[in-house]
Amino acid sequence: DSGVTQTPKHLITATGQRVTLRCSPRSGDLSVYWYQQSLDQGLQFLIHYYNGEERAKGNILERFSAQQFPDLHSELNLSSLELGDSALYFCASSVGSGALENTEAFFGQGTRLTVV
Amino acid sequence: DQQVKQNSPSLSVQEGRISILNCDYTNSMFDYFLWYKKYPAEGPTFLISISSIKDKNEDGRFTVFLNKSAKHLSLHIVPSQPGDSAVYFCAASGGKLIFGQGTELSVKP
Repeated sequence: DSGVTQTPKHLITATGQRVTLRCSPRSGDLSVYWYQQSLDQGLQFLIHYYNGEERAKGNILERFSAQQFPDLHSELNLSSLELGDSALYFCASSVGSGALENTEAFFGQGTRLTVV
Repeated sequence: DQQVKQNSPSLSVQEGRISILNCDYTNSMFDYFLWYKKYPAEGPTFLISISSIKDKNEDGRFTVFLNKSAKHLSLHIVPSQPGDSAVYFCAASGGKLIFGQGTELSVKP
């Protein structure tokens, strides 16, 4: 158990809909990272938050947005869903501010999103 | 633009032999490198890391080598065990953590 909690574990929704994925980081971790893993793809970096502020953005679509709340949990919002958005979405947390500084990130078990 | 590349999608080795997983990167600003292991239906778990000021880091059966001039790192597992069968991701850190595509290692008894 990494200490990172993601809910829900599975989500099935229709095209055009909007969903929210939730991540609770490990206790004491201030950084949350979101990644997308599509079929046969590696882990694509989406976005990083540190202590409530956006720190870095990757290849995140405009239809996707995220935020980190004062209690440090984070939500990833996916809207106008398309079939191609079906993927595993992972969040990870770390103590550091973004350079990671010799600390590793700990991953949740992921949310499997299926768009039908 | 794939900044971190693992060119071998899969690798099969015999139990007891050495497994060598390779990773190349393009950005010379990366200052910290990590290897993660992932089993099906689970999130990636941290395995071993190396700072850019070192060229080798060892932890039990796992050793990571870094060749900065070639922008190449490798993970050696010796001896390989069937329980090592998983997908291995290398990652590079420089403000954000960028992952390669992964290499699926299969260790056969």
